[in-house]
Amino acid sequence: DQQVKQNSPSLSVQEGRISILNCDYTNSMFDYFLWYKKYPAEGPTFLISISSIKDKNEDGRFTVFLNKSAKHLSLHIVPSQPGDSAVYFCAAPGSGNTGKLIFGQGTTLQVKP
Amino acid sequence: GAGVSQTPSNKVTEKGKYVELRCDPISGHTALYWYRQSLGQGPEFLIYFQGTGAADDSGLPNDRFFAVRPEGSVSTLKIQRTERGDSAVYLCASSPGGSNTGELFFGEGSRLTVL
Repeated sequence: DQQVKQNSPSLSVQEGRISILNCDYTNSMFDYFLWYKKYPAEGPTFLISISSIKDKNEDGRFTVFLNKSAKHLSLHIVPSQPGDSAVYFCAAPGSGNTGKLIFGQGTTLQVKP
Repeated sequence: GAGVSQTPSNKVTEKGKYVELRCDPISGHTALYWYRQSLGQGPEFLIYFQGTGAADDSGLPNDRFFAVRPEGSVSTLKIQRTERGDSAVYLCASSPGGSNTGELFFGEGSRLTVL
């Protein structure tokens, strides 16, 4: 059972435009969510997070929106840059308060110059 | 460097062989995690160590997989009798403590190919 789902395997946008990456989840008890970014041949790196008590968190060009009633979160990147081209994973905490994370399948973003 | 270090970066082996993958976490991080990432999928949790002990090994797929962290720092993931389906990138991550709400710091991974 996939608790965190990213239904779009890929997304292509033009440089300067907005990129919107989506994520759905099934467990309404998740306390927080994170987005990770992964370049080829590198490990995932943390990008931004949001607490479940908030509906928006912004960090520079990156904003994450949380819609708890829809069990949906999205990552907005504006303006998109070619260096943003990577795989983006959303993640939520696993059970047992261990700090482990459950990841979605990932969305490959391509930003065209 | 000060990041999570994993060796080897690439490992090609034959079906049935034994493999060891090593992870050197960030100094001072007590929590260590192993994940497996197959093509087109997100990282899948395998095992979590808090200090020397495996506090959660619920993600290990079967008893061919085993991990140790004898001194609470470096960890080794061991795979016996490898199968072609074990081919994946094995990622290691660490964090300052297990029960946090923050990020995990990942290494670059060890790509395992079982022929």
